[in-house]
Amino acid sequence: QLQLRESGPGLVKPSETLSLTCTVSGGSIRSSSYYWGWIRQPPGKGLDWIGTISHFATTYYNPSLKGRVTISVDTSKSQFSLKLSSVTAADTAIYYCARHESGTKNAFDIWGQGTLVTVSS
Amino acid sequence: DIQMTQSPSSLSALVGDRVTITCRASQSIGMFLSWFQQRPGKAPKLLIYGTSSLESGVPSRFSGSGSGTDFTLTISSLQPEDFATYFCQQSYTPPWAFGQGTRVEIK
Repeated sequence: QLQLRESGPGLVKPSETLSLTCTVSGGSIRSSSYYWGWIRQPPGKGLDWIGTISHFATTYYNPSLKGRVTISVDTSKSQFSLKLSSVTAADTAIYYCARHESGTKNAFDIWGQGTLVTVSS
Repeated sequence: DIQMTQSPSSLSALVGDRVTITCRASQSIGMFLSWFQQRPGKAPKLLIYGTSSLESGVPSRFSGSGSGTDFTLTISSLQPEDFATYFCQQSYTPPWAFGQGTRVEIK
């Protein structure tokens, strides 16, 4: 059964770059049927889509993040990664990685457990 | 960008009640609409995709309907484990926005 797990620092200083990795296990990251995405949730608030990378490494980003986001994939390690630059306290959130089934479902069907990232000096 | 608006933002209901949550898109998204359930401290879970298709393992008391801009999630008989927050999301075109969520609480 496919599982996703986020990893990375839980504390990032303002103006620095947040870096997270999602490790995919129990299945292939190479399949053309899936995209891979990042979603975040500020404490006590709703879900915000950050961005998604396709099996062709085409990326889609939320324009609200104003060019601060980079998502990449390393198929040799079954991982995909998120970098968010110039962070502020507003970027404090639980960050989830998720699989986007791009065929019949066209939906985020498998999610990681999430990891809390706090932006503070 | 397409905006997704859910209503109500919260509701109180009894076990056994029929519950309906609405999601409206700011422009037509066909049937590219998913619903998620999120219990406290847990990751969201896909319930319904393509407006009305039930994800594997999801109880049949959950159903979805709609098309274009107006969509509905219905829980036919609310169970104790259904008290959670529900989100809709459009997958028609990026940015793939979520609704703000509807919290279902025990009355």
